[in-house]
Amino acid sequence: KQEVTQIPAALSVPEGENLVLNCSFTDSAIYNLQWFRQDPGKGLTSLLLIQSSQREQTSGRLNASLDKSSGRSTLYIAASQPGDSATYLCAALKTSYDKVIFGPGTSLSVIP
Amino acid sequence: GAVVSQHPSWVICKSGTSVKIECRSLDFQATTMFWYRQFPKQSLMLMATSNEGSKATYEQGVEKDKFLINHASLTLSTLTVTSAHPEDSSFYICSAPTSGGAGETQYFGPGTRLLVL
Repeated sequence: KQEVTQIPAALSVPEGENLVLNCSFTDSAIYNLQWFRQDPGKGLTSLLLIQSSQREQTSGRLNASLDKSSGRSTLYIAASQPGDSATYLCAALKTSYDKVIFGPGTSLSVIP
Repeated sequence: GAVVSQHPSWVICKSGTSVKIECRSLDFQATTMFWYRQFPKQSLMLMATSNEGSKATYEQGVEKDKFLINHASLTLSTLTVTSAHPEDSSFYICSAPTSGGAGETQYFGPGTRLLVL
Protein backbone atom coordinates (compact mmCIF):
# COMPACT_ATOMS: atom_id res chain seq x y z
CA LYS A 1 0.00 0.00 0.00
CA GLN A 2 1.41 3.33 -1.08
CA GLU A 3 1.99 5.90 1.64
CA VAL A 4 3.17 9.42 0.98
CA THR A 5 4.70 11.63 3.63
CA GLN A 6 5.95 15.20 3.54
CA ILE A 7 8.49 17.03 5.63
CA PRO A 8 8.27 19.59 7.11
CA ALA A 9 4.60 19.92 7.95
CA ALA A 10 4.99 23.70 8.14
CA LEU A 11 7.69 26.13 7.16
CA SER A 12 8.09 29.85 7.66
CA VAL A 13 10.87 31.69 5.84
CA PRO A 14 11.79 35.30 5.10
CA GLU A 15 11.25 36.56 1.60
CA GLY A 16 14.08 35.83 -0.81
CA GLU A 17 15.22 32.56 0.71
CA ASN A 18 15.63 29.40 -1.29
CA LEU A 19 13.83 26.44 0.20
CA VAL A 20 13.30 22.72 -0.22
CA LEU A 21 10.18 20.71 0.44
CA ASN A 22 10.50 16.97 0.85
CA CYS A 23 8.22 14.14 -0.17
CA SER A 24 8.69 10.43 0.47
CA PHE A 25 6.74 7.47 -0.88
CA THR A 26 6.90 3.85 0.16
CA ASP A 27 6.20 2.11 -3.16
CA SER A 28 8.68 3.00 -5.87
CA ALA A 29 6.46 1.54 -8.60
CA ILE A 30 4.91 4.84 -9.54
CA TYR A 31 3.67 6.13 -12.88
CA ASN A 32 4.35 9.73 -12.02
CA LEU A 33 4.69 12.10 -9.13
CA GLN A 34 3.03 15.48 -9.08
CA TRP A 35 3.39 18.59 -6.98
CA PHE A 36 0.35 20.76 -6.33
CA ARG A 37 -0.24 24.06 -4.68
CA GLN A 38 -3.40 24.74 -2.69
CA ASP A 39 -4.34 28.17 -1.44
CA PRO A 40 -6.66 28.41 1.60
CA GLY A 41 -10.20 27.49 0.66
CA LYS A 42 -9.24 26.82 -2.95
CA GLY A 43 -8.70 23.86 -5.24
CA LEU A 44 -5.51 22.33 -6.54
CA THR A 45 -3.07 24.01 -8.88
CA SER A 46 -0.71 21.60 -10.61
CA LEU A 47 2.88 22.86 -10.41
CA LEU A 48 5.10 20.14 -11.78
CA LEU A 49 4.63 16.58 -12.95
CA ILE A 50 7.53 14.15 -13.14
CA GLN A 51 7.08 10.96 -15.10
CA SER A 52 8.65 7.82 -13.65
CA SER A 53 11.33 7.87 -16.35
CA GLN A 54 12.34 11.44 -15.55
CA ARG A 55 14.56 12.75 -12.79
CA GLU A 56 13.47 16.36 -12.63
CA GLN A 57 11.21 19.04 -14.01
CA THR A 58 11.58 22.81 -13.91
CA SER A 59 9.12 25.65 -14.21
CA GLY A 60 10.30 29.16 -13.48
CA ARG A 61 11.56 29.33 -9.90
CA LEU A 62 10.40 25.79 -9.20
CA ASN A 63 12.39 22.63 -9.64
CA ALA A 64 11.18 19.17 -8.70
CA SER A 65 13.36 16.09 -8.58
CA LEU A 66 12.48 12.43 -8.40
CA ASP A 67 14.54 9.54 -7.08
CA LYS A 68 12.45 6.41 -7.41
CA SER A 69 15.05 4.11 -5.92
CA SER A 70 15.03 5.98 -2.63
CA GLY A 71 11.35 6.86 -2.80
CA ARG A 72 11.92 10.59 -2.61
CA SER A 73 11.00 13.77 -4.39
CA THR A 74 11.95 17.32 -3.57
CA LEU A 75 10.46 20.62 -4.59
CA TYR A 76 12.96 23.45 -4.70
CA ILE A 77 11.66 27.01 -4.65
CA ALA A 78 14.17 29.70 -5.49
CA ALA A 79 14.00 33.28 -4.26
CA SER A 80 10.77 32.77 -2.35
CA GLN A 81 8.08 35.46 -2.45
CA PRO A 82 5.11 36.18 -0.19
CA GLY A 83 2.86 35.03 -3.02
CA ASP A 84 4.36 31.56 -2.66
CA SER A 85 2.61 31.18 0.69
CA ALA A 86 0.30 28.18 0.36
CA THR A 87 0.10 24.48 1.11
CA TYR A 88 2.16 22.28 -1.15
CA LEU A 89 1.03 18.72 -1.78
CA CYS A 90 2.89 15.93 -3.45
CA ALA A 91 0.95 13.07 -4.97
CA ALA A 92 1.97 9.70 -6.35
CA LEU A 93 0.14 7.92 -9.13
CA LYS A 94 0.72 4.19 -9.58
CA THR A 95 -0.86 3.87 -13.00
CA SER A 96 -2.63 6.38 -15.18
CA TYR A 97 -5.99 4.87 -14.23
CA ASP A 98 -5.34 4.42 -10.54
CA LYS A 99 -6.14 6.67 -7.62
CA VAL A 100 -3.76 9.39 -6.61
CA ILE A 101 -2.20 9.13 -3.17
CA PHE A 102 -1.63 12.51 -1.61
CA GLY A 103 0.85 13.50 1.03
CA PRO A 104 -0.34 15.51 4.03
CA GLY A 105 1.12 18.72 2.65
CA THR A 106 3.63 21.34 3.73
CA SER A 107 2.21 24.68 4.78
CA LEU A 108 4.57 27.41 3.59
CA SER A 109 4.56 30.96 4.83
CA VAL A 110 6.92 33.48 3.22
CA ILE A 111 7.33 36.55 5.40
CA PRO A 112 7.81 39.91 3.62
CA GLY B 1 -5.15 20.56 -22.10
CA ALA B 2 -7.79 18.34 -20.58
CA VAL B 3 -10.31 20.10 -18.36
CA VAL B 4 -12.50 18.76 -15.60
CA SER B 5 -15.30 20.90 -14.24
CA GLN B 6 -17.37 20.64 -11.09
CA HIS B 7 -20.71 22.12 -10.21
CA PRO B 8 -21.54 23.73 -7.93
CA SER B 9 -18.34 25.31 -6.70
CA TRP B 10 -19.82 25.80 -3.26
CA VAL B 11 -23.06 24.94 -1.54
CA ILE B 12 -24.63 25.66 1.82
CA CYS B 13 -27.51 23.47 2.92
CA LYS B 14 -29.53 22.58 5.95
CA SER B 15 -28.92 19.39 7.86
CA GLY B 16 -30.97 16.52 6.48
CA THR B 17 -31.08 17.67 2.88
CA SER B 18 -29.37 15.97 -0.05
CA VAL B 19 -26.77 17.65 -2.19
CA LYS B 20 -25.69 16.62 -5.69
CA ILE B 21 -22.24 17.46 -7.04
CA GLU B 22 -21.40 17.05 -10.71
CA CYS B 23 -18.03 16.24 -12.20
CA ARG B 24 -17.60 16.61 -15.95
CA SER B 25 -14.73 15.89 -18.28
CA LEU B 26 -15.07 18.65 -20.85
CA ASP B 27 -12.92 17.54 -23.77
CA PHE B 28 -12.23 13.87 -23.18
CA GLN B 29 -14.07 10.74 -22.18
CA ALA B 30 -13.51 9.21 -18.77
CA THR B 31 -14.69 5.69 -18.01
CA THR B 32 -13.30 6.17 -14.53
CA MET B 33 -13.47 9.14 -12.23
CA PHE B 34 -12.31 9.50 -8.64
CA TRP B 35 -13.93 11.36 -5.78
CA TYR B 36 -11.82 12.78 -2.96
CA ARG B 37 -12.67 14.82 0.08
CA GLN B 38 -10.60 17.09 2.22
CA PHE B 39 -11.46 18.04 5.78
CA PRO B 40 -10.05 21.30 7.17
CA LYS B 41 -6.29 21.25 7.61
CA GLN B 42 -6.06 17.71 6.26
CA SER B 43 -4.95 16.25 2.97
CA LEU B 44 -7.15 14.79 0.27
CA MET B 45 -8.42 11.27 0.79
CA LEU B 46 -10.01 9.06 -1.82
CA MET B 47 -13.66 8.34 -1.16
CA ALA B 48 -14.67 6.23 -4.12
CA THR B 49 -13.97 5.26 -7.69
CA SER B 50 -16.74 5.99 -10.15
CA ASN B 51 -17.04 3.54 -13.04
CA GLU B 52 -19.10 4.27 -16.13
CA GLY B 53 -21.81 1.70 -16.56
CA SER B 54 -21.16 -0.14 -13.32
CA LYS B 55 -21.24 0.33 -9.58
CA ALA B 56 -18.81 2.59 -7.84
CA THR B 57 -16.21 1.14 -5.52
CA TYR B 58 -15.87 2.75 -2.13
CA GLU B 59 -12.91 3.10 0.17
CA GLN B 60 -13.06 1.58 3.59
CA GLY B 61 -15.07 3.68 5.99
CA VAL B 62 -17.07 5.50 3.31
CA GLU B 63 -20.80 4.76 3.46
CA LYS B 64 -22.04 3.86 0.01
CA ASP B 65 -25.66 4.52 0.96
CA LYS B 66 -24.80 8.01 2.12
CA PHE B 67 -22.55 8.99 -0.77
CA LEU B 68 -24.36 7.91 -3.90
CA ILE B 69 -22.31 7.89 -7.07
CA ASN B 70 -23.71 7.71 -10.56
CA HIS B 71 -21.51 7.58 -13.64
CA ALA B 72 -24.19 7.70 -16.30
CA SER B 73 -22.07 8.79 -19.23
CA LEU B 74 -18.46 8.92 -20.34
CA THR B 75 -18.22 12.58 -19.37
CA LEU B 76 -20.28 12.88 -16.21
CA SER B 77 -20.13 11.49 -12.70
CA THR B 78 -22.34 12.71 -9.88
CA LEU B 79 -21.86 12.45 -6.13
CA THR B 80 -24.96 12.84 -4.01
CA VAL B 81 -24.54 13.40 -0.31
CA THR B 82 -27.80 12.12 1.13
CA SER B 83 -29.24 13.46 4.38
CA ALA B 84 -26.23 15.67 4.85
CA HIS B 85 -25.06 16.48 8.36
CA PRO B 86 -22.58 19.07 9.63
CA GLU B 87 -19.82 16.44 9.78
CA ASP B 88 -20.16 16.06 6.01
CA SER B 89 -18.98 19.63 5.56
CA SER B 90 -15.86 19.29 3.50
CA PHE B 91 -14.14 20.07 0.23
CA TYR B 92 -15.05 17.50 -2.44
CA ILE B 93 -12.91 17.17 -5.54
CA CYS B 94 -13.02 14.81 -8.48
CA SER B 95 -10.38 13.68 -10.93
CA ALA B 96 -10.40 11.87 -14.23
CA PRO B 97 -7.60 10.14 -16.10
CA THR B 98 -7.12 10.82 -19.77
CA SER B 99 -7.19 7.89 -22.13
CA GLY B 100 -4.46 6.65 -24.41
CA GLY B 101 -1.01 7.96 -25.16
CA ALA B 102 2.10 8.48 -23.10
CA GLY B 103 2.73 11.09 -20.46
CA GLU B 104 -0.89 11.22 -19.42
CA THR B 105 -2.05 11.86 -15.94
CA GLN B 106 -5.18 12.71 -14.09
CA TYR B 107 -6.90 16.03 -14.19
CA PHE B 108 -8.62 17.48 -11.18
CA GLY B 109 -11.76 19.51 -10.98
CA PRO B 110 -11.76 22.82 -9.11
CA GLY B 111 -13.60 21.30 -6.16
CA THR B 112 -16.90 21.84 -4.39
CA ARG B 113 -17.02 23.25 -0.92
CA LEU B 114 -19.97 21.94 1.10
CA LEU B 115 -21.17 23.52 4.30
CA VAL B 116 -23.98 21.80 6.15
CA LEU B 117 -25.68 23.92 8.79
